[in-house]
Amino acid sequence: ETGVTQTPRHLVMGMTNKKSLKCEQHLGHNAMYWYKQSAKKPLELMFVYNFKEQTENNSVPSRFSPECPNSSHLFLHLHTLQPEDSALYLCASSRSTGLSGELFFGSGTQLSVL
Amino acid sequence: GESVGLHLPTLSVQEGDNSIINCAYSNSASDYFIWYKQESGKGPQFIIDIRSNMDKRQGQRVTVLLNKTVKHLSLQIAATQPGDSAVYFCAEYSKGGSARQLTFGSGTQLTVLP
Repeated sequence: ETGVTQTPRHLVMGMTNKKSLKCEQHLGHNAMYWYKQSAKKPLELMFVYNFKEQTENNSVPSRFSPECPNSSHLFLHLHTLQPEDSALYLCASSRSTGLSGELFFGSGTQLSVL
Repeated sequence: GESVGLHLPTLSVQEGDNSIINCAYSNSASDYFIWYKQESGKGPQFIIDIRSNMDKRQGQRVTVLLNKTVKHLSLQIAATQPGDSAVYFCAEYSKGGSARQLTFGSGTQLTVLP
């Protein structure tokens, strides 16, 4: 256990559905991240939150909407997704974005868009 | 653009042999590097890190070497075991937007043969 929990582990959704991914960390960290991992590609940073404030949006399409109500919880709201959005979505946390240090990852949500 | 990449996508080694996984980076301003291991169905897990003021760092059965002259990073695993089979990523810290950002390479699949 890394201290970062993601739910659900697997999700299948149609292109017209609305769903949300949830991430929770029990490490007392202040920074949380969403990454997308597609087959044969490097991990792609999507969003960064530091002390609940969004500090990075890596040109992510608006059909992905993050929410960070507090430093321990992070959501990714999904709507009108495309089949190419099928991937493993990983949440991570770290002490702070201003510090260099390891990111602690959850096990991810494997998303399939039909 | 600046990127982190791996020389080989796959590596097979006999159990008990030493493994060497290589990584090339292009951002000369990067000052902190991390190796992650990702097993099937799990998120990336921290293995070892190194700062740019060091050339070598050792952990339990793992050693990371940094050659800043040629911008090369390597991970050495001693006495490779079946449990070492996984995808290994190198990652570098660089300045991105308002925060330091961790950029990942594409990964090397290590397979340990019996």
